Formats: sequence, C-alpha cells, structure tokens
Amino acid sequence: DAGVTQSPTHLIKTRGQQVTLRCSPKSGHDTVSWYQQALGQGPQFIFQYYEEEERQRGNFPDRFSGHQFPNYSSELNVNALLLGDSALYLCASREAGSGNLGTQYFGPGTRLTVL
Amino acid sequence: SQQGEEDPQALSIQEGENATMNCSYKTSINNLQWYRQNSGRGLVHLILIRSNEREKHSGRLRVTLDTSKKSSSLLITASRAADTASYFCATARGYNFNKFYFGSGTKLNVKP
Repeated sequence: DAGVTQSPTHLIKTRGQQVTLRCSPKSGHDTVSWYQQALGQGPQFIFQYYEEEERQRGNFPDRFSGHQFPNYSSELNVNALLLGDSALYLCASREAGSGNLGTQYFGPGTRLTVL
Repeated sequence: SQQGEEDPQALSIQEGENATMNCSYKTSINNLQWYRQNSGRGLVHLILIRSNEREKHSGRLRVTLDTSKKSSSLLITASRAADTASYFCATARGYNFNKFYFGSGTKLNVKP
C-alpha cells in the first residue's frame, strides 16, 4: 500500500512565476492538508480539503490556492512567487471517517526554491 | 507564526540516556500529537493524546498532557542513535478542531 506521494521532489522557480504541487493521499484517505515548512521551523498549516472543498485555512494570502479532485488527490497552487515562498511543502492525508482524531500521514514533501 | 513552542530547541545526549522534550500551547485543544522528522523530510506520527487524557505510552515513548498548564512532554527512554531527529508537537484547534498547529521543534542528537 503506497503512502502519501508528492510531486515533484524539487522545484526551482523565479520570482513572479506560478507553481503547482501535487499530492496523492494514502488509499482510503479522503482529507488532505497542506503545510509550508521554512528551514529550521515547524510546519505551518495552509489549508485542508475534504469532499473537494476547502474546509479550513491558515493565515496564508490568496496567492495560495488549492484543489481536490474526485479521486481525493490534491493540488497546491502558488501565484506570483516571492523569495519567502521558498520552503518544503508537505501534504498530509487522513483516513476517511477518522474525524479530527485521525492520524495524519505525511508525504516526503516538495522542496521549492524561489530565485 | 508558530502557535506552540517546544523546549529545548536542541538536545544532545548519549545513547542509552533518556530524552525529555516539552511543548506549550496557547488555546483550547481537542488533542495533541507528537511527530518526528528526519533530515527535513516528511513527518512521522508518533503518538496522539486526547485532551481528556493525562498520560499515554507507546513503546519507549511516554507523553503527558496538562491542560491546566497548556503543556505536554515527550519522554524517550533508553535513546538510540536512530532517534536522532527533530520532534514536533501539534495541536488540533479551530472549527471542529481541523486546524493543526505545529511548534518550532526540538532537535535531538543522540551520540553513539
């Protein structure tokens, strides 16, 4: 059983560009959350998707948007990239029906570098 | 900004010793979870403790929760070099407790 997968592994962009990161949750998982982790810091919650809708959002500007597809996979889009967007982007999924006590399973992350 | 804080920020011990990490948070929670992260990659879930629980064990791990002090501790007994990693606590808050807030982490180095 494959775990949470993310693509690409690494990405280099320049300021002002747009980027799309992808996440496939574990089998049987229907909730996907995205996090941004700057170097030396803990992950910061960006948003959570469930039933193809954004259910919760952290303190991130509208440049950060997402989508969840019928197969539960998800995308994170970031527009007008800034140098400060350089970080490790993590995706986490949770088992269907587990509610807010469910364990989050994290993917390996996408390392985004903005030059 | 981080919503919780772990201390110490860094901890270096010898193999076989115990390691204790602390986490403090600011608002009401539904549950608190501890995670491990190796070399800046994905996080691995270690243990979850509910807000109505005071202590929980899993193998060499012991977690305590004091909701009156808004703090938790993670104890790793008989540490091994393989325990070298960053450890984070995360609290579930927000509407329906679906927002997870991580602390800034404790970097543990276990020397062989």
